[in-house]
Amino acid sequence: DTEVTQTPKHLVMGMTNKKSLKCEQHMGHRAMYWYKQKAKKPPELMFVYSYEKLSINESVPSRFSPECPNSSLLNLHLHALQPEDSALYLCASSQADRVFSGANVLTFGAGSRLTVL
Amino acid sequence: TQLLEQSPQFLSIQEGENLTVYCNSSSVFSSLQWYRQEPGEGPVLLVTVVTGGEVKKLKRLTFQFGDARKDSSLHITAAQPGDTGLYLCAGLPLRGPSGSRLTFGEGTQLTVNP
Repeated sequence: DTEVTQTPKHLVMGMTNKKSLKCEQHMGHRAMYWYKQKAKKPPELMFVYSYEKLSINESVPSRFSPECPNSSLLNLHLHALQPEDSALYLCASSQADRVFSGANVLTFGAGSRLTVL
Repeated sequence: TQLLEQSPQFLSIQEGENLTVYCNSSSVFSSLQWYRQEPGEGPVLLVTVVTGGEVKKLKRLTFQFGDARKDSSLHITAAQPGDTGLYLCAGLPLRGPSGSRLTFGEGTQLTVNP
């Protein structure tokens, strides 16, 4: 299995809602990532989990709360978002010992397209 | 200042034309990767170039890593509408600060018209 699966594919939420994005992989990768991507722009790193521990938080606002319940799952909990948070949220995974290496290769999911009204 | 600069940012061509996309930096990289992202999908790795001067071919796509490992190019021959997408180069500087991780260029949005 060489896939990263993200759900839901599309999500529309109001600014007072609480929702979650989910990501799953079964490649044995122990590093998992959340990226945010605006239209026609490169992905921007948000969080990295390595061996189920948060290793990188790119100064992301607290209205985004990541969670890594086990080595195959990664969640992103959303609360009190703003319209400017509307974007494609990408999950990725890689081998954990390569997170800070030039040999790191990411496998991305198809993304969850979030619209905040 | 963007660590990896891609050019052009946007490219719209007719089917059958050739094109080249560039990824440049003032830093030396141990390797560079190229990803393609189609509409509604996540980026997919196309190739990793590791050795200075290296050339890799993937069907109609030719990737080159500069001799000094500071730049890379992607050449597409006889482009097809299926080549449409966002092309991203990515890499990690060889002597970056501790904790550095994979950085993406700004991307080249390619549209191939039938």
